[in-house]
Amino acid sequence: GAVVSQHPSRVICKSGTSVKIECRSLDFQATTMFWYRQFPKQSLMLMATSNEGSKATYEQGVEKDKFLINHASLTLSTLTVTSAHPEDSSFYICSARDPRTSGYTGELFFGEGSRLTVL
Amino acid sequence: AQKITQTQPGMFVQEKEAVTLDCTYDTSDQSYGLFWYKQPSSGEMIFLIYQGSYDEQNATEGRYSLNFQKARKSANLVISASQLGDSAMYFCAMRESFFGNEKLTFGTGTRLTIIP
Repeated sequence: GAVVSQHPSRVICKSGTSVKIECRSLDFQATTMFWYRQFPKQSLMLMATSNEGSKATYEQGVEKDKFLINHASLTLSTLTVTSAHPEDSSFYICSARDPRTSGYTGELFFGEGSRLTVL
Repeated sequence: AQKITQTQPGMFVQEKEAVTLDCTYDTSDQSYGLFWYKQPSSGEMIFLIYQGSYDEQNATEGRYSLNFQKARKSANLVISASQLGDSAMYFCAMRESFFGNEKLTFGTGTRLTIIP
């Protein structure tokens, strides 16, 4: 199946610093990518929809200035957690749909996820 | 109201037995899609099976089958002949409307543990 890769898989940072997480579609072009957040032992919550060449669409309650999303190319979306605080510690996971293979099912392929720990 | 409800937070099943993971959903759309994903301890989300609202046949993928009961709004996942590697979190998800909406809403998940 299609491959979506995230980097880094784990990151530990100090409170107040910014952290960038990359999401790449390795073998297909994705005009849209999705960023989810997952707290321990909880479900995935959609944070925002990343659109190539335009502004991201954020879900209600998600701070745009806190979670900066950039989708500069058809294979790369980045999530930057700005001025991170301990409450931002979470598992962040991106996804994308491969238009070549999942046009009917709309199956989303997920990255491996990035575990952020803010000290 | 919860759009996706998974009522089993955890299940323990003997190896080689079949297991059913429950999922009910709530939507007023006529067109929607239902998904099951597996999340091992490593964290990645693995697509298992898909059922479209207009599909008349229950979806099957190897050892996975989806028991789709549209009138009851349920989409239970059945795993036959369970294996130790099936131990993971399982999430049911729904996408409402086929075109122009690719967002998935996830349930709270069921942690499945296969006992040797």
